[in-house]
Amino acid sequence: ETGVTQTPRHLVMGMTNKKSLKCEQHLGHNAMYWYKQSAKKPLELMFVYSLEERVENNSVPSRFSPECPNSSHLFLHLHTLQPEDSALYLCASSQEIIPKPYNEQFFGPGTRLTVL
Amino acid sequence: EDQVTQSPEALRLQEGESSSLNCSYTVSGLRGLFWYRQDPGKGPEFLFTLYSAGEEKEKERLKATLTKKESFLHITAPKPEDSATYLCAVSTGYSTLTFGKGTMLLVSP
Repeated sequence: ETGVTQTPRHLVMGMTNKKSLKCEQHLGHNAMYWYKQSAKKPLELMFVYSLEERVENNSVPSRFSPECPNSSHLFLHLHTLQPEDSALYLCASSQEIIPKPYNEQFFGPGTRLTVL
Repeated sequence: EDQVTQSPEALRLQEGESSSLNCSYTVSGLRGLFWYRQDPGKGPEFLFTLYSAGEEKEKERLKATLTKKESFLHITAPKPEDSATYLCAVSTGYSTLTFGKGTMLLVSP
């Protein structure tokens, strides 16, 4: 595997279900991110982790719970979601969180989530 | 509040018809401007980073430029495979990015 991978690629869940999204980066990066992409809206940053420590939580509802057990893996645990949470959830990684040359973010393919 | 505005929202070109996409931004302290390409059902693919006004970068048929208020992505003699949504984003702090809504480009043969 290379780059940033995400599983599952598609997920359909009811509002009472609990599910998890998984992200793995094979780039040796130290920072990982969760984004939400809804139709007709810009990508929205949800969470930022640096060396397994959460450094930003962008006012995300508590029904989304991130977990970063090590610098290569990132999870997003979902519970009691709403239909408006249906979107493409993207994971990204970068060498570190400090913006500087050659510290670009690389994205995974995303998980298409549908909440019924 | 940081703002990124991309125009046009959608652009249809004939193969070989050159054009430009615009990204205007209002930020307090630009640390970098990024261009990404996104194909349907896929994650954004990194294209360029620009750090200072006057900077230019090229990759195949694409050329990105930066001024103090906006960035342009010039597409020279586009091909159908250039069809995608092009996203612009700015960084003003950590590596957190503020994205625009994107320009959907369709190149017809």
